[in-house]
Amino acid sequence: KAGVTQTPRYLIKTRGQQVTLSCSPISGHRSVSWYQQTPGQGLQFLFEYFSETQRNKGNFPGRFSGRQFSNSRSEMNVSTLELGDSALYLCASSRQPQGGGYTFGSGTRLTVV
Amino acid sequence: DQQVKQNSPSLSVQEGRISILNCDYTNSMFDYFLWYKKYPAEGPTFLISISSIKDKNEDGRFTVFLNKSAKHLSLHIVPSQPGDSAVYFCAASAQKAGNNRKLIWGLGTSLAVNP
Repeated sequence: KAGVTQTPRYLIKTRGQQVTLSCSPISGHRSVSWYQQTPGQGLQFLFEYFSETQRNKGNFPGRFSGRQFSNSRSEMNVSTLELGDSALYLCASSRQPQGGGYTFGSGTRLTVV
Repeated sequence: DQQVKQNSPSLSVQEGRISILNCDYTNSMFDYFLWYKKYPAEGPTFLISISSIKDKNEDGRFTVFLNKSAKHLSLHIVPSQPGDSAVYFCAASAQKAGNNRKLIWGLGTSLAVNP
């Protein structure tokens, strides 16, 4: 079966712009989580959605937002980009929001210049 | 404050030998632990997990040990193979109100298995 699909794979934006990242979970998976990975901070949890509702949220500023659609696809938006937002953004899906057993996508590499 | 700590950023072992990756945690409420493996340019993949009611879980060449009193877990890979070279992440979660869980991740340990 198809895995978790994230688009785009690579993205370059300038400071102040906004960006939208997309994640299509595995068919049948209704939980989608987003993570930011940077070399110094490891995997930082952003938020988790289940059945179009945000179930959990990490400690990120309000510039980071997300949503989930009825088909479980999810989007993540970052407004007013800062240089420090440059990172690999990973999406993970699971059947239930259990906090484990997730399947990750390959990520979107965002570079802010 | 890192609740899940992987104090060794990197580890190098010879093919065929045992690889031991360590993970310490500070939150005594954590009751579920996972290990993920990540290759460059790919997302992490689930390896093995352990619940706090156990002290050992084995899956093929991979075994995870949990020492609750020491708040320590370790991943053993025996025998190590070059294809095991990757970054290994330890993650932990605790049951929260409303049946919610949130995974807390370590910073990862980069394992290099030399032929």
